[in-house]
Amino acid sequence: GAGVSQSPSNKVTEKGKDVELRCDPISGHTALYWYRQSLGQGLEFLIYFQGNSAPDKSGLPSDRFSAERTGGSVSTLTIQRTQQEDSAVYLCASSLAGSGGGSPLHFGNGTRLTVT
Amino acid sequence: AQSVTQLGSHVSVSEGALVLLRCNYSSSVPPYLFWYVQYPNQGLQLLLKYTSAATLVKGINGFEAEFKKSETSFHLTKPSAHMSDAAEYFCAVSGYNFNKFYFGSGTKLNVKP
Repeated sequence: GAGVSQSPSNKVTEKGKDVELRCDPISGHTALYWYRQSLGQGLEFLIYFQGNSAPDKSGLPSDRFSAERTGGSVSTLTIQRTQQEDSAVYLCASSLAGSGGGSPLHFGNGTRLTVT
Repeated sequence: AQSVTQLGSHVSVSEGALVLLRCNYSSSVPPYLFWYVQYPNQGLQLLLKYTSAATLVKGINGFEAEFKKSETSFHLTKPSAHMSDAAEYFCAVSGYNFNKFYFGSGTKLNVKP
């Protein structure tokens, strides 16, 4: 079956523009996570969805960042008024039942965002 | 609080040598533990997971890890390194009463011919 799909794979944008990053999780996976990976850094948690609701938004770095999930499936991460420090790889992952059941995360290949 | 510490941001071994990547966790409850591998320009791929069954867990590509509660460790090993093992490896912890996966900072494995 299909894995986690992210689009676009690469995005170059000018400082101050808005961008939308899309994630299609594995069918049937109720939990969806967004992480950010900056050059040479580890994974930074951004937000977690269970179904369409986001019980944990604690990792969003500023109010320029928002995310939504519709139909318990596709999720969109939006960054408004992009800044150069937003340049990173944005990784999406889905899980059958979230962390509580020991289900592992399944990752997409990420979107590489470059803000010029 | 939960956290993961990976000792050594870079590890270099010769082809055919033992691979040992260290991971220690801090968790107030019995954890679920995972090792992931990331090849360049790709997402993370699950190598293996511990979910309170056998303490010695075998994964893909010949890797295995042993859960040692007394040492709060979950080190990743492979008896004989192959050039294709060169990648970055991440240890992660989650648990039944919290909804995040906590990742270590990663260890880049270099395999010398």
